[in-house]
Amino acid sequence: DGGITQSPKYLFRKEGQNVTLSCEQNLNHDAMYWYRQDPGQGLRLIYYSQIVNDFQKGDIAEGYSVSREKKESFPLTVTSAQKNPTAFYLCASSIGFKDTTDTQYFGPGTRLTVL
Amino acid sequence: AQSVTQLDSHVSVSEGTPVLLRCNYSSSYSPSLFWYVQHPNKGLQLLLKYTSAATLVKGINGFEAEFKKSETSFHLTKPSAHMSDAAEYFCVVSPPGYSSASKIIFGSGTRLSIRP
Repeated sequence: DGGITQSPKYLFRKEGQNVTLSCEQNLNHDAMYWYRQDPGQGLRLIYYSQIVNDFQKGDIAEGYSVSREKKESFPLTVTSAQKNPTAFYLCASSIGFKDTTDTQYFGPGTRLTVL
Repeated sequence: AQSVTQLDSHVSVSEGTPVLLRCNYSSSYSPSLFWYVQHPNKGLQLLLKYTSAATLVKGINGFEAEFKKSETSFHLTKPSAHMSDAAEYFCVVSPPGYSSASKIIFGSGTRLSIRP
């Protein structure tokens, strides 16, 4: 089946630790995105990548880092510099980067809790 | 600048009655508009999208939405609610063509509850 997978589903982190969230897609999509979702709010863009080895900051990139070494993979690292990391994190992909009318396909999400 | 407003944070309807989820947008150009659905602890799934073709857009699971430029609205409707429709719904506005992904704006969501 084609789709986007995220792991782990639930993640617990102690303060001061870095953690990495996995996102993999087998849709052959060029563009990938990371969003953060907090209760009662819409999604906010953290980082996005239009093509391999290239990525741009979104609206709330501080305290996060990403890499895009392979087309299928776009891992997100939540660093200790992120002051309030407890949230639901969603990864998405779209077929291309030239047109923002392209549909985004979302993974099932990772819920991160800082203890 | 673009913005999107979902007018109701929570809507509750009885099973078998119509559903109306309201979305207004603001954009300086003709945007594309989307509705996504999110079930608890799941990712978002596309219900339907408008990209400057027909103003009445039909989506999955019996949902449809009408683009009304004069009212800057893109309300989501369904004639008869089903228990499985209980979820969070997001209206999304996106500029056309070449643009930055950071200009895709998500509404704050409307939680739809279905009463038996």
